[in-house]
Amino acid sequence: EDQVTQSPEALRLQEGESSSLNCSYTVSGLRGLFWYRQDPGKGPEFLFTLYSAGEEKEKERLKATLTKKESFLHITAPKPEDSATYLCGAAGGGNKLTFGTGTQLKVEL
Amino acid sequence: ETGVTQTPRHLVMGMTNKKSLKCEQHLGHNAMYWYKQSAKKPLELMFVYSLEERVENNSVPSRFSPECPNSSHLFLHLHTLQPEDSALYLCASSQARTGGGTDTQYFGPGTRLTVL
Repeated sequence: EDQVTQSPEALRLQEGESSSLNCSYTVSGLRGLFWYRQDPGKGPEFLFTLYSAGEEKEKERLKATLTKKESFLHITAPKPEDSATYLCGAAGGGNKLTFGTGTQLKVEL
Repeated sequence: ETGVTQTPRHLVMGMTNKKSLKCEQHLGHNAMYWYKQSAKKPLELMFVYSLEERVENNSVPSRFSPECPNSSHLFLHLHTLQPEDSALYLCASSQARTGGGTDTQYFGPGTRLTVL
């Protein structure tokens, strides 16, 4: 059975304090690793898709990386507006996305 | 309108009511999805439609009934719901990729459902 585990469950950072979120996955034949950002009361907003180990993608202060067992979302010099829940989803051979429970990030001034 | 839209945004219903959730995608995609999101739980896939044909039904109770009249519209008909069905219901759409890999899903804002 496909599984995705995200850690930590919650993270509190000071503005400018860089950190990383982890997404560990167990899927048969990874067909895509997806990162989303979700603000309270809203739908998930697409950030990145990674398809193969070693792949990296960047957008503003965010950088996503992928290995054969996990993905990291690195946040460099975060700002309060980066506060949100970050969701990770992995698609296996059945083309179905399995999501983790998310990391709730709070960035304080 | 752009992206994926959902109506209503909030819905309160009694256990004996019948209501419907509506989703519309303006992205030209050919697949649509219903997810349920409850607090502290991962997103749960409920239904998948590809080219207007239901391709997945993840053991969802029959009190939830999906309908996909065309590739741009998706409905979720609700009847005789239970309080534990209270959650955020999300619609998503995607365009099937060629050459392998899984297509990226784009989500709507969700409908916050409360069952009394």
